[in-house]
Amino acid sequence: DQQVKQNSPSLSVQEGRISILNCDYTNSMFDYFLWYKKYPAEGPTFLISISSIKDKNEDGRFTVFLNKSAKHLSLHIVPSQPGDSAVYFCAASRGGADGLTFGKGTHLIIQP
Amino acid sequence: DTAVSQTPKYLVTQMGNDKSIKCEQNLGHDTMYWYKQDSKKFLKIMFSYNNKELIINETVPNRFSPKSPDKAHLNLHINSLELGDSAVYFCASSQMGQTYNEQFFGPGTRLTVL
Repeated sequence: DQQVKQNSPSLSVQEGRISILNCDYTNSMFDYFLWYKKYPAEGPTFLISISSIKDKNEDGRFTVFLNKSAKHLSLHIVPSQPGDSAVYFCAASRGGADGLTFGKGTHLIIQP
Repeated sequence: DTAVSQTPKYLVTQMGNDKSIKCEQNLGHDTMYWYKQDSKKFLKIMFSYNNKELIINETVPNRFSPKSPDKAHLNLHINSLELGDSAVYFCASSQMGQTYNEQFFGPGTRLTVL
């Protein structure tokens, strides 16, 4: 039973354009949603997050949007840069010492 | 000045052996975790410790036993290793009460059971 779903295993975007990564969840008890970036042979790196009481959070080139009624969130990267090529994981949490529930990841490839 | 470190990075061993993976964090966090990333790249929580006390123990075989000697360390002992234990194991830490429950991950330990 996958509670966090990333339905696109990969996404290819041209450098300078916008990258949009999508994530859906099923558990209404999640309070926090996070995006992580992962390079091969490294651990996931925290990127940006949003709480369930907000619908948008922005940090530089990265913006996360949350549509709670649709149980959907998205990560926008603009403009996309070659160094953004990585696997992006969507994760959700109920807070406290709760473990993160991860999606399967989306491999973002930025084309020059 | 690595925030979350794990040793070893690679571990190759025979079925039936007992092995340990060590994790240390220097972020001053009070909560630590172990995750398993299987061959399908799916990251799943195994354990969560807060102030040296076990908080979460997902459906993990009893052969896996976490041990937290202090708040900065969470080690993972695995007894009677099986082929299916081959995976990448990630340690993470966080501070309870932080706004978004962001967790910081170590570089991972790739365990291969032959």
